[in-house]
Amino acid sequence: QVQLQESGPGLVKPSQTLSLTCTVSGGSIRSGNYYWTWIRQPAGKGLEWIGRIYTSGSTNYNPSLKSRVTISVDTSKNQFSLKLSSVTAADTAVYYCARDRYYGSGTYGMDVWGQGTTVTVSS
Amino acid sequence: DIQMTQSPSSLSASVGDRVTITCQASQDISKSLNWYQQKPGKAPKLLIYGASNLETGVPSRFSGSGSGTDFTFTISSLQPEDIATYYCQQYDNLITFGQGTKLEIK
Repeated sequence: QVQLQESGPGLVKPSQTLSLTCTVSGGSIRSGNYYWTWIRQPAGKGLEWIGRIYTSGSTNYNPSLKSRVTISVDTSKNQFSLKLSSVTAADTAVYYCARDRYYGSGTYGMDVWGQGTTVTVSS
Repeated sequence: DIQMTQSPSSLSASVGDRVTITCQASQDISKSLNWYQQKPGKAPKLLIYGASNLETGVPSRFSGSGSGTDFTFTISSLQPEDIATYYCQQYDNLITFGQGTKLEIK
């Protein structure tokens, strides 16, 4: 079955760009009706949706982060990536990648998640 | 932006109890509502999609209902392994999560 795995630096300096990659295994990132999604969770807090990229390459972002976020896909590597610029301590969180699946009849759900990776913003 | 308000924020119940969590959307989202379970140190797990559809492999003691702005998530008979934080999530307009409900055993 499809599995997702996040990777990237665990420590990023303030004002720099956070870069993470999600590798998809067990299936092609190009197949099916899926949004490939990034979510984050600060320690002890709730889930925050960052944004997503569709199989076609179209993107949607959280309005509160839109000016700093870029999500892209590399189909040759079966990966999608997150870049978050101008980071501050407030961006410290566990970052998850997930597959948002279309079930039909207008229904969606994030049915596959990575294990999450902790990113700390500190000098 | 669509805001999602969950209640209660925390809940203590006994094994075998019926547990109910509610989620209210700031505007009509039809049935574009999912429920997730998150255990400590783990990624969230999809339980219910489209307000009332049980994800494959999820025990039937979990259920969801509602449409429009008001939604309910129910565990019919609480089991020890159900201790977790539960989140609602709307997808009618982009994605928003509720703040979560932490469920503990009494």
